[in-house]
Amino acid sequence: DVKVTQSSRYLVKRTGEKVFLECVQDMDHENMFWYRQDPGLGLRLIYFSYDVKMKEKGDIPEGYSVSREKKERFSLILESASTNQTSMYLCASSPGGAGGTNTEAFFGQGTRLTVV
Amino acid sequence: QKEVEQDPGPLSVPEGAIVSLNCTYSNSAFQYFMWYRQYSRKGPELLMYTYSSGNKEDGRFTAQVDKSSKYISLFIRDSQPSDSATYLCAMLSAYNFNKFYFGSGTKLNVKP
Repeated sequence: DVKVTQSSRYLVKRTGEKVFLECVQDMDHENMFWYRQDPGLGLRLIYFSYDVKMKEKGDIPEGYSVSREKKERFSLILESASTNQTSMYLCASSPGGAGGTNTEAFFGQGTRLTVV
Repeated sequence: QKEVEQDPGPLSVPEGAIVSLNCTYSNSAFQYFMWYRQYSRKGPELLMYTYSSGNKEDGRFTAQVDKSSKYISLFIRDSQPSDSATYLCAMLSAYNFNKFYFGSGTKLNVKP
């Protein structure tokens, strides 16, 4: 089974702290994604990566950065945490490629981050 | 306007009811259509996917795509309390197979 593992289920951080959320996948997938999920707003894409050291901004990249130094690991960084970044953060991976090879995104269990 | 629209619900039905969940979209380039199920405090998991127009059935679940109307549906027959979850639709464009476009999710509650 594909496994996407996020390093923490729950995190509480203080305003202004630098926060690292780690995600690891074990299926050699090309693509990795970071989303945040908020009630009424659904899943919003923060950043995604097609390949090692490649990254692209999603719909809400402000206040976030990412790092993908190895294929299996994709990190989300909150440079200076703010209370409006309190949310559920979901990491996902997918095989990549054209057409029918990339029809499933596999999600981690999520990290519920609270910024106080 | 969001590219994928989905009624957030919540939708509450009695056990055994037929459930209809729907999404509309605006991008005519969408080719692959997926439904994910997300239980409380878990990540979403793929339930079904279909390519282009048509129907696909898997047990009690039927996915339907009408590209002419830009409308997709998920039907659940004989709904069970274990079907209580949030259901998200997702789509892939023919011009970018790597980026998923998600609906906001519909919360379903099936009452025993």
